[in-house]
Amino acid sequence: SQTIHQWPATLVQPVGSPLSLECTVEGTSNPNLYWYRQAAGRGLQLLFYSVGIGQISSEVPQNLSASRPQDRQFILSSKKLLLSDSGFYLCAWRDAGREQFFGPGTRLTVL
Amino acid sequence: AQSVAQPEDQVNVAEGNPLTVKCTYSVSGNPYLFWYVQYPNRGLQFLLKYITGDNLVKGSYGFEAEFNKSQTSFHLKKPSALVSDSALYFCAVSLPWANRDDKIIFGKGTRLHILP
Repeated sequence: SQTIHQWPATLVQPVGSPLSLECTVEGTSNPNLYWYRQAAGRGLQLLFYSVGIGQISSEVPQNLSASRPQDRQFILSSKKLLLSDSGFYLCAWRDAGREQFFGPGTRLTVL
Repeated sequence: AQSVAQPEDQVNVAEGNPLTVKCTYSVSGNPYLFWYVQYPNRGLQFLLKYITGDNLVKGSYGFEAEFNKSQTSFHLKKPSALVSDSALYFCAVSLPWANRDDKIIFGKGTRLHILP
């Protein structure tokens, strides 16, 4: 069966520091991968999605970036965090015509 | 552009009563429709989906949803609510898998409170 992992689970970072969040999927090949941000326990904001290795689509211009160095690995990064980057970050995968499956999330607090 | 509307920010229901969480959508073509549930500090969990076929879809934890094409709605229902159903619920829509970069569009979420 398929599983999706995210780490770390929680992260507290100072403003201006770098960020790297990792997401890996097991049990499937060539999935679509997604990064979302959720603020204050409400709606989801799609940040990036990827249909294959090295293929990244950005939905919202900001100081975040994403990379997909391997088929089942999706990384969210920033060179310098802002206070507004605080939130709950969710990774998800999707296979042909199916629903999305979400990881457990990373709670990021920028101080 | 495709969109999803969840008109209620919060729904309060007494335990044991039936519950309904509303969702309407706007999309050209025949949509795929989904419901997800999120518990505090957790990822979203898939509840059910409509792709084609019977308009009444049954899912996890006793939930069901009815696809109504004329009203472009996909309301989530449960005959008898449990306190443990209290959570944040998301409706979502996507177009059929025409190409690999199709996205799922989520509603803003409805917070369901089941009162003991």
